Amino acid sequence: AQSVAQPEDQVNVAEGNPLTVKCTYSVSGNPYLFWYVQYPNRGLQFLLKYITGDNLVKGSYGFEAEFNKSQTSFHLKKPSALVSDSAMYFCAVRESSGGSYIPTFGRGTSLIVHP
Amino acid sequence: ETGVTQTPRHLVMGMTNKKSLKCEQHLGHNAMYWYKQSAKKPLELMFVYSLEERVENNSVPSRFSPECPNSSHLFLHLHTLQPEDSALYLCASSQTPGLAGEFTDTQYFGPGTRLTVL
Repeated sequence: AQSVAQPEDQVNVAEGNPLTVKCTYSVSGNPYLFWYVQYPNRGLQFLLKYITGDNLVKGSYGFEAEFNKSQTSFHLKKPSALVSDSAMYFCAVRESSGGSYIPTFGRGTSLIVHP
Repeated sequence: ETGVTQTPRHLVMGMTNKKSLKCEQHLGHNAMYWYKQSAKKPLELMFVYSLEERVENNSVPSRFSPECPNSSHLFLHLHTLQPEDSALYLCASSQTPGLAGEFTDTQYFGPGTRLTVL
């Protein structure tokens, strides 16, 4: 079985400061990991993914995420937050082979960036 | 028009009404999904269609009935809904590279239909 946890319902950060949105996962084998962002009254937008290779993945809008296999984590980061980054962020995981190929989503984390 | 579109964007219906949600993808994908998004709850997968055949149905109530006439269109038919069915209904698509049941990675989502059941 696969699962993903986003331990924080909300993250608050001041504009210009670095931000981190946490995600931990559980799969039987190797994971495919994703981050999506959702702005109010919109669908989810793909930000970045980890499939294989370099543990540091760079994505859209200056976001990046680091895959840490020993800690089973895939935290989303950005060096300098913008007010426009305020949104809901969803982490998702699926098995790379075997098991369910449908991704499992986390509950989401609300990121609020203060001016 | 590009991406994944959904109509209507907002829908208010009574419990005895019958309505349908429509999703269209312009990405050439061959898998489509319906999700339900309720406040304070994880995203719930309702239906998946791959190559126009239903692959997975997560025990959704029969008052929700999906239809996938071709790889670009997906419908969700609604009848005798309950107030707890009020939610944002999201459609997504992706590309499956190989055998049935083997899905690729990135899903592309539509903007959703905000459904209110009175």
